[in-house]
Amino acid sequence: QKEVEQDPGPLSVPEGAIVSLNCTYSNSAFQYFMWYRQYSRKGPELLMYTYSSGNKEDGRFTAQVDKSSKYISLFIRDSQPSDSATYLCAFNTNAGKSTFGDGTTLTVKP
Amino acid sequence: DTGVSQDPRHKITKRGQNVTFRCDPISEHNRLYWYRQTLGQGPEFLTYFQNEAQLEKSRLLSDRFSAERPKGSFSTLEIQRTEQGDSAMYLCASSLSSGQYNSPLHFGNGTRLTVT
Repeated sequence: QKEVEQDPGPLSVPEGAIVSLNCTYSNSAFQYFMWYRQYSRKGPELLMYTYSSGNKEDGRFTAQVDKSSKYISLFIRDSQPSDSATYLCAFNTNAGKSTFGDGTTLTVKP
Repeated sequence: DTGVSQDPRHKITKRGQNVTFRCDPISEHNRLYWYRQTLGQGPEFLTYFQNEAQLEKSRLLSDRFSAERPKGSFSTLEIQRTEQGDSAMYLCASSLSSGQYNSPLHFGNGTRLTVT
């Protein structure tokens, strides 16, 4: 069983929709939770970084962590065509190395 | 902060040839990571350095792969006797590690390797 499972997608939504992206994990040693955005032929770009259960908001993006259920989500409000990309969840132990999900590809249609 | 820089962006090589990639991390970062990513998959850990010391290598990293970070600054990843299965995006990332604190990884734009 993989340590990280990410909703596979692809996901296609109209502009302005609320998007929900989800990951589950099995490793209890994961203490830090990240979301990266990756455009085609580019490297992953850090979007959100948190280490506690609950919600963290940054503009149109909200990261939600539920450590008891080993479940994290990323919500995108008022989605824009420029949000079209692959979104990767990632997890760190205290050692600092990141373990990634396989990504969800999102298309936001104008 | 000029970001993580990787060179070349794209490398096409014939099976059996050796290739070398270079990564320049963010200057104040002491950790440097190499990952591999294939289509439809997330980045997969290969190895990482803290300063010049290579601290961990994935079991996925065969003997044909070697990485160095000679002065704790830039790093090179060499693949000897390339195989078609080595075709992938090779990503470099860097972070700052200090005591119990580890910053998240910051990635370069990768080197896309095509083995024909």
